[in-house]
Amino acid sequence: GAGVSQSPSNKVTEKGKDVELRCDPISGHTALYWYRQRLGQGLEFLIYFQGNSAPDKSGLPSDRFSAERTGESVSTLTIQRTQQEDSAVYLCASSSHMPNTEAFFGQGTRLTVV
Amino acid sequence: GEDVEQSLFLSVREGDSSVINCTYTDSSSTYLYWYKQEPGAGLQLLTYIFSNMDMKQDQRLTVLLNKKDKHLSLRIADTQTGDSAIYFCAETWDGATNKLIFGTGTLLAVQP
Repeated sequence: GAGVSQSPSNKVTEKGKDVELRCDPISGHTALYWYRQRLGQGLEFLIYFQGNSAPDKSGLPSDRFSAERTGESVSTLTIQRTQQEDSAVYLCASSSHMPNTEAFFGQGTRLTVV
Repeated sequence: GEDVEQSLFLSVREGDSSVINCTYTDSSSTYLYWYKQEPGAGLQLLTYIFSNMDMKQDQRLTVLLNKKDKHLSLRIADTQTGDSAIYFCAETWDGATNKLIFGTGTLLAVQP
């Protein structure tokens, strides 16, 4: 596609339910990032995929959060047993591996846990 | 460690210069970036600087890098109301993986 696509754009879920967020990166981009942005706050790093290397999961806030990526394509971020503090915009970005290239961001998924 | 800090808010008058500051902790950062996030939109790259440079100019934007103090700044000349946005600095941390770490963001409000 022309850019990074995320779905759904908005998700309202009940506390305790599981949610799955999807990111379609730009074709050919080996690097994929997930960030969380709470209202009025900065970007919190969650997880980073780079090619076939083991993902950097150091930013995942708890074991309720997990993410997968199939090869260099789609990634899904799963949040189990959602809590109200999980409410945020979840942003995905992709880039090529070259160190000075731009990371292109999707529009984000706004998750609201009620 | 990976820690990038910015002041939260800056207000300027239209036509004035804006200076947004950022401090980072990882001296091995190779590239440092400025991204802009407009209301309701995703982040877009504004400019970047390689760590062996101390200044980069791109039209109204000037990036200054002080490696000794681990301080990065973005100067916007002749600030316009359309420059109102949140500005994030970012660094690639751990050169082997190029993981991108963002600062807390600075909200720039431009008063007409």
